[in-house]
Amino acid sequence: GQQVMQIPQYQHVQEGEDFTTYCNSSTTLSNIQWYKQRPGGHPVFLIQLVKSGEVKKQKRLTFQFGEAKKNSSLHITATQTTDVGTYFCAGLTSGTYKYIFGTGTRLKVLA
Amino acid sequence: SQTIHQWPATLVQPVGSPLSLECTVEGTSNPNLYWYRQAAGRGLQLLFYSVGIGQISSEVPQNLSASRPQDRQFILSSKKLLLSDSGFYLCAWSVIQHTEAFFGQGTRLTVV
Repeated sequence: GQQVMQIPQYQHVQEGEDFTTYCNSSTTLSNIQWYKQRPGGHPVFLIQLVKSGEVKKQKRLTFQFGEAKKNSSLHITATQTTDVGTYFCAGLTSGTYKYIFGTGTRLKVLA
Repeated sequence: SQTIHQWPATLVQPVGSPLSLECTVEGTSNPNLYWYRQAAGRGLQLLFYSVGIGQISSEVPQNLSASRPQDRQFILSSKKLLLSDSGFYLCAWSVIQHTEAFFGQGTRLTVV
C-alpha cells in the first residue's frame, strides 16, 4: 500500500538555527498537506501544496512540493521555542479520500 | 462555524472490555469523516473513513469497527479490547476530498 516516510524522525536544534524535514511518498500524489502537532495536542493544518514544483511561504516556514509530486519539504528559518512539536506531511492520492500521514518529525528547540 | 467534538478525552479500560468512542461535527453537512490512531511518539495510522451515512471504508484489519449512524456522527467501537489497542485516537473531518482535515481533541485510551 501507499507509504509516506519522513526524515529525520527527531531533530534537536538550538534556537535560531534552521530546520528541515523531508517527506517521501511511494506513489505520486495529487496534493500534499502539512500539519503541526504540539505535545499532547492534535494535528493542526498548516498548508496544502497542489502543483508540481510549488513553493509556498508562511513567515519563517517554506514548503516545497517536488517536481514528480512524490516528495515535499518543510524548512523553518531561525527556529523559535514556539516551533516545538511534531510536523507531519499528509499525502492524498487522486481518486481517494484518504489522507495518508507521514511518520512525522519531532522538533525540539533548545533555548 | 464548524466544530468537532470527540469524547471522552481519556479512557482506561481493562483487556476484553468493549469500547465506544464518539465523534460529532457541527456546522457542516455531509463531511468526510476519519478515525486515526497514534501510538506513543509515532505517526498517524488511518483506521476508517466515511464519505456518507452508512458508508465505511476500513484501512487496517483489526478488532475495531466504525459506524456512521447519522450524517455528522462517527463512532469507533470494539467488542473486546486488546492491550495493543492502547493509543491516541483522533477523529477528523474534511469538507470534500483534498481539502484540509480538522481534528478533534483526541481520546487517549489505555488498555490495562
